[in-house]
Amino acid sequence: EAAVTQSPRNKVAVTGGKVTLSCNQTNNHNNMYWYRQDTGHGLRLIHYSYGAGSTEKGDIPDGYKASRPSQENFSLILELATPSQTSVYFCASGRDRGQAETLYFGSGTRLTVL
Amino acid sequence: QQNVQQSPESLIVPEGARTSLNCTFSDSASQYFWWYRQHSGKAPKALMSIFSNGEKEEGRFTIHLNKASLHFSLHIRDSQPSDSALYLCAVGTGGYKVVFGSGTRLLVSP
Repeated sequence: EAAVTQSPRNKVAVTGGKVTLSCNQTNNHNNMYWYRQDTGHGLRLIHYSYGAGSTEKGDIPDGYKASRPSQENFSLILELATPSQTSVYFCASGRDRGQAETLYFGSGTRLTVL
Repeated sequence: QQNVQQSPESLIVPEGARTSLNCTFSDSASQYFWWYRQHSGKAPKALMSIFSNGEKEEGRFTIHLNKASLHFSLHIRDSQPSDSALYLCAVGTGGYKVVFGSGTRLLVSP
């Protein structure tokens, strides 16, 4: 089964601080995604990537940056964290460029910004 | 802009009951449809998918898709306590664009 690993599992940050969430996948999938999950909103797409070196904006990219240094790794960066970014963040990978593509999710990172 | 809505928001059913979860979407060009299941504190995991009108059955789970009515549903036969989870529907129109609904929280009581 597809393996997507996120770190850390839990993170507490201060307002204005920098936060980096990491994701590693061992499936050799081309596509990787960052979502946030909030009650009442389901999963919302922040950034995605079609391969090493590429990042694209999703539906709610403001306040977030992404980095894809390799096929396996995809990071989400909050340069100046705000309390509104308190959420659960999920990374996912997928093989087929958006067409009938099943997503494989990591276990999530719970971020609290104080 | 695709709008995906799920109903009901939450549901409690007795063990052994048949459960029906609903998802409506707004973009008639939508082509790909999934149900994901997320147990508490865990990752969402794909449960079933359907890409053409009609019905698809896998064990106790059945998906119905009616593109003309912009509706698809998940039916669970003989619901088990282990089915208790958040169920997310997802709709794709091609490219990267997959939009998730906000979920139905199902509780199956023993």
